[in-house]
Amino acid sequence: DAKTTQPNSMESNEEEPVHLPCNHSTISGTDYIHWYRQLPSQGPEYVIHGLTSNVNNRMASLAIAEDRKSSTLILHRATLRDAAVYYCILRDVIGGATNKLIFGTGTLLAVQP
Amino acid sequence: DSGVTQTPKHLITATGQRVTLRCSPRSGDLSVYWYQQSLDQGLQFLIQYYNGEERAKGNILERFSAQQFPDLHSELNLSSLELGDSALYFCASSPGDSRDRPQHFGDGTRLSIL
Repeated sequence: DAKTTQPNSMESNEEEPVHLPCNHSTISGTDYIHWYRQLPSQGPEYVIHGLTSNVNNRMASLAIAEDRKSSTLILHRATLRDAAVYYCILRDVIGGATNKLIFGTGTLLAVQP
Repeated sequence: DSGVTQTPKHLITATGQRVTLRCSPRSGDLSVYWYQQSLDQGLQFLIQYYNGEERAKGNILERFSAQQFPDLHSELNLSSLELGDSALYFCASSPGDSRDRPQHFGDGTRLSIL
């Protein structure tokens, strides 16, 4: 599985946008980019995923670079509830790899009131 | 609420003992995954079941085993427990075995070995 690189931590102010970066320079053409987050004392929570085009849902937006070697998760207005560890994960949809999620260390997002 | 239910929420036991963790997947989901989260190893995949059959194995110790029942709930059995088995154990589920569909996680079972 291709590797992702994320900053260890980031800080944001409440009600401001947050851009969480992820580098994945060895991404393959069949790798989907998935984002999960883990709030304190909870299990990981699916946020969003995409392949090539930018994606939006009720939680966030995913901006994917044209060469797909990086992506950015965008929280449009951070709330205190968004304080969590955010994981960027690549999943190859073709091939013999198992259907497991490989979690790195993620980015710990702190949101200040 | 993810729809995935894990019981119990907390377990405290002693070394050498055996415990069973239970997971009820979201309604209609055929795949169940088990993950372990410890401070030093992070979140690691243990095993996947799909419609009652073992589909994939990760870093699961031989002292650990799992199964998925006809009603699709799953149990993770941990035996000969050691101090290092203290961790959070998460169950996740997904509709099938497709890797472009998300997995939905329960809130975990916190296992403490004394």
